[in-house]
This record gives sequence, C-alpha cells and structure tokens, in this order.
Amino acid sequence: DGGITQSPKYLFRKEGQNVTLSCEQNLNHDAMYWYRQDPGQGLRLIYYSQIVNDFQKGDIAEGYSVSREKKESFPLTVTSAQKNPTAFYLCASSIAAVGLTVGYTFGSGTRLTVV
Amino acid sequence: ILNVEQSPQSLHVQEGDSTNFTCSFPSSNFYALHWYRWETAKSPEALFVMTLNGDEKKKGRISATLNTKEGYSYLYIKGSQPEDSATYLCALARSGFNKFYFGSGTKLNVKP
Repeated sequence: DGGITQSPKYLFRKEGQNVTLSCEQNLNHDAMYWYRQDPGQGLRLIYYSQIVNDFQKGDIAEGYSVSREKKESFPLTVTSAQKNPTAFYLCASSIAAVGLTVGYTFGSGTRLTVV
Repeated sequence: ILNVEQSPQSLHVQEGDSTNFTCSFPSSNFYALHWYRWETAKSPEALFVMTLNGDEKKKGRISATLNTKEGYSYLYIKGSQPEDSATYLCALARSGFNKFYFGSGTKLNVKP
C-alpha cells in the first residue's frame, strides 16, 4: 500500500537538543511538506520541497531545518533555536503540479515533547 | 496573516442527529477549498475538493457546499453516527500562492 510514514509517533527530548523527525513516502510524489499544529490553531507550514535537492521556507521556518536528498524522504530537524518546539508535526505529500487541486496525502504525525 | 475560520470549534451530538459546520475564508484570489476528515491517531483523509461557486459535493451522508463570493463553505452530516466522530478540517488554496491555508478544525463527537 502506498502512503506516508512518520516515525516515531511520540518523541521526547531534553531542551537544547536537536531532534530529527522522519517522513518517508512511496507514492512517487514530487512535493513534500512539513506542518506544525498547536492547540486551537490551524496547521502552519514549516518547510516544503517540490523537487529533490530543493526546498523553501514556509511561514514558521525559524528554528527548523530540512533536507531532500531523495524523492521519498523529507526529514525535519527541530533545532535548539526553536523556542517552542513542543507540538504535533504532520508531514504531507502531493503531485507537485496539481497539489492545490487534488490535495495532499498526510502522514499520521509525530508528537514532540521537549522537557 | 490570512485567516481561515472554522466554527464551531467542537460539537457534541447524539447518534442520528444531523449537523453542520462552517469554514469561512477571504474570497479574494480563490482557487480551491478542500475538506479533510481527521480521526484521532490517524492521518487526515480527503473528503471533498471544490473549485466553483455554488459547487455541491456529496459522499454518503456527508455533503458540502461552496460560496466563493461571500467566502464560506458548509459541511453537512445527515444522521450522524459514532464513526463520524473526527476533526473536520478545511483548507483554502489561493491563486498565486503555492500553499494551503488551514482552518483549526471542528471536532465532532457523536454519542451513541
């Protein structure tokens, strides 16, 4: 079955440590996205990538970094510079040219807690 | 900052009740409006995509309407069932902007 896998579902880290969240897709989608969800707010775009070896900042990129070395993979690193890293992180993918028309396929998310 | 508003934030209904909720958005540069259904611990799943003013879509007991001129979409659920319990998200796509603007969702709880 094609889909998006995010791992792990729950992640705990100490303040000041970098942490990398995994997102893998086998849908052959060109575009991949990282969103953050906080209570009472809509999903906010962190980074997105429409092609391998290229990515763009979203609305709240500060304190995050990404890479896109393979089409299937778009890992997100939450760095120690991110002031409020505790949140729910959702990865998505789409066919780049028609993503806004046909929508996204989403992963099931990673809940990161920084203590 | 562009606001996509969903109301109510949460809704509790009895099994068999019909219900509806709203997604409001700025009408300028409208391109498409998506509805997603998001069950707890699962991935959001696409319900509908609507692009034209006056669009109506239906899937089983769930239907949606779109008014792009006044900037709103309604989602209706007829005869709610416990398995309809989920968060319903709307997402706006605008011409010239390569991303979605998501609402914060309406969380529906259907009691048996």
